[in-house]
Amino acid sequence: NAGVMQNPRHLVRRRGQEARLRCSPMKGHSHVYWYRQLPEEGLKFMVYLQKENIIDESGMPKERFSAEFPKEGPSILRIQQVVRGDSAAYFCASSPLRSNQPQHFGDGTRLSIL
Amino acid sequence: GESVGLHLPTLSVQEGDNSIINCAYSNSASDYFIWYKQESGKGPQFIIDIRSNMDKRQGQRVTVLLNKTVKHLSLQIAATQPGDSAVYFCAETPGTDKLIFGTGTRLQVFP
Repeated sequence: NAGVMQNPRHLVRRRGQEARLRCSPMKGHSHVYWYRQLPEEGLKFMVYLQKENIIDESGMPKERFSAEFPKEGPSILRIQQVVRGDSAAYFCASSPLRSNQPQHFGDGTRLSIL
Repeated sequence: GESVGLHLPTLSVQEGDNSIINCAYSNSASDYFIWYKQESGKGPQFIIDIRSNMDKRQGQRVTVLLNKTVKHLSLQIAATQPGDSAVYFCAETPGTDKLIFGTGTRLQVFP
């Protein structure tokens, strides 16, 4: 069984450009979560989505960041007009049900802003 | 605010010894806890979980203990191996869907 797939693994952008990060959940999983990790720190929750719905975006910056999980295709985390502070590892996790089920993570996208 | 913290940022053990990684949590509403292992350049890997109606759960070479009275969680690894070297995170769910992670403990295993 394929795990959570994220691409690209590494992404380099210049300040002001857009970054698009993709996540395909594990087969049979309909819940997707995005987290951000700075070096030597724990992961910080950003957003929780189900197909075509944003359930909880309390951890997502109000500006420049958006996320979607369309009926068909992967979940997308989009960062517009990137700044140096957006440099981080972004991880996607999926689970089959909400709450009290382990979330399984992909290997992340390392975003570097020049 | 909500926080999950760890007592030791780095733990060094000799191969074959047992390891104990500790975690303190502050949200009494948390009802589900998970331990993850993260190797360099990879995502967190699920190790073991425990629900708040339990105080102990065992897996293969790992045991998680939950003490709700003092809001403490621990991960015990038996017969630690070099492949166990990684950063270990505890995470809690305080009645919501998102995971709240601690800052992590780096486990170093020496031959």
